[in-house]
Amino acid sequence: DTGVSQNPRHKITKRGQNVTFRCDPISEHNRLYWYRQTLGQGPEFLTYFQNEAQLEKSRLLSDRFSAERPKGSFSTLEIQRTEQGDSAMYLCASSLTGPNRAQYFGPGTRLLVL
Amino acid sequence: AQSVAQPEDQVNVAEGNPLTVKCTYSVSGNPYLFWYVQYPNRGLQFLLKYITGDNLVKGSYGFEAEFNKSQTSFHLKKPSALVSDSALYFCAVRDISGDSSYKLIFGSGTRLLVRP
Repeated sequence: DTGVSQNPRHKITKRGQNVTFRCDPISEHNRLYWYRQTLGQGPEFLTYFQNEAQLEKSRLLSDRFSAERPKGSFSTLEIQRTEQGDSAMYLCASSLTGPNRAQYFGPGTRLLVL
Repeated sequence: AQSVAQPEDQVNVAEGNPLTVKCTYSVSGNPYLFWYVQYPNRGLQFLLKYITGDNLVKGSYGFEAEFNKSQTSFHLKKPSALVSDSALYFCAVRDISGDSSYKLIFGSGTRLLVRP
């Protein structure tokens, strides 16, 4: 049973650079979610997809952030012109369709912006 | 607005003793409630959920949680703690009313420390 995978696991970048993270959900899951977690806090919702359609975006997702899921399988999260405040753990989760389905999380990508 | 409160930053228990990690929530409609556990440098691992029905929900690794609608609480419990239960625990809620957003709202987490 393959869980949610995320790459890279760690990313160090300089302020102003662009970064892209990848998430591969559990294969039969058609919903995919992105969250951000800062130190000492719980995860905060960023966006979610049902298949390839992006159905909801948080106001936390500024115009420097963009997420895609082009074929309804893997997803990418890009941050343009990174800022030090973007330093966080970026978590991806996936779930089956249905209102009561649990979301299963990947290991996360830890981003450090210098 | 939806919110989740975990009033204790840390809970300390001795191995073999019962443990409780507290969670209260606020939603405008009916809640779906979840508990997750996070080990260092790892993602969140699903423990259990309350959707409807029996207020006592059983989950993974011997954990259970009790839904109390009048107190808007969903406390996590285990009859006998293990040292390996030491981790960060998150409560989360989803408001199923209104526009049926699928996002989870998380609490700030409670660190559980089980001493030998």
